[in-house]
Amino acid sequence: DVKVTQSSRYLVKRTGEKVFLECVQDMDHENMFWYRQDPGLGLRLIYFSYDVKMKEKGDIPEGYSVSREKKERFSLILESASTNQTSMYLCASSTAGTSGTDTQYFGPGTRLTVL
Amino acid sequence: DQQVKQNSPSLSVQEGRISILNCDYTNSMFDYFLWYKKYPAEGPTFLISISSIKDKNEDGRFTVFLNKSAKHLSLHIVPSQPGDSAVYFCAANPLGRGGADGLTFGKGTHLIIQP
Repeated sequence: DVKVTQSSRYLVKRTGEKVFLECVQDMDHENMFWYRQDPGLGLRLIYFSYDVKMKEKGDIPEGYSVSREKKERFSLILESASTNQTSMYLCASSTAGTSGTDTQYFGPGTRLTVL
Repeated sequence: DQQVKQNSPSLSVQEGRISILNCDYTNSMFDYFLWYKKYPAEGPTFLISISSIKDKNEDGRFTVFLNKSAKHLSLHIVPSQPGDSAVYFCAANPLGRGGADGLTFGKGTHLIIQP
């Protein structure tokens, strides 16, 4: 079974703090993704990575950065947390197929609250 | 501009009956479609997918239908069970992108199965 784990299920931070969200997958997947989920907005892609040290912006990258130093680990960084970054953050991974038919597997999510 | 639309935020169905969840898309480059199921405080789990070369895919109680000319897909659950109560997300992947890009998600439909 594919396993995607996220470092925290719940996190509370203060405005202006630097926040690290960690994600680890154990299936040797090449692709990793960070989404946020907000009520009424569905899941929106923040950043993704298709290889170690590679990163691509998704639909809403502003205020975030990412790091992928090892294949299994993909970190999301909030440089200076703001209240509008209060959300559920979801990490996902998938294989590097060439057909576009690769299923993404999600972690349990991190509920981040910024006060 | 929303490229994947789920126009029903919620749907209530009696246990044992058929649940039909709908999804429309606008981007003609999408050619692979997935349905995910999400319980509160958990990550989405993959349910079923369909490639644009097919018009139907079935897996147990779940069937996905694709009408490419209408840019419409639907998920049928028969018979509906209490454990099916969850939020269902429709997602799409563009042609030939190798799965390395993130999925485009709809906003989700909250399915409630009533006893």
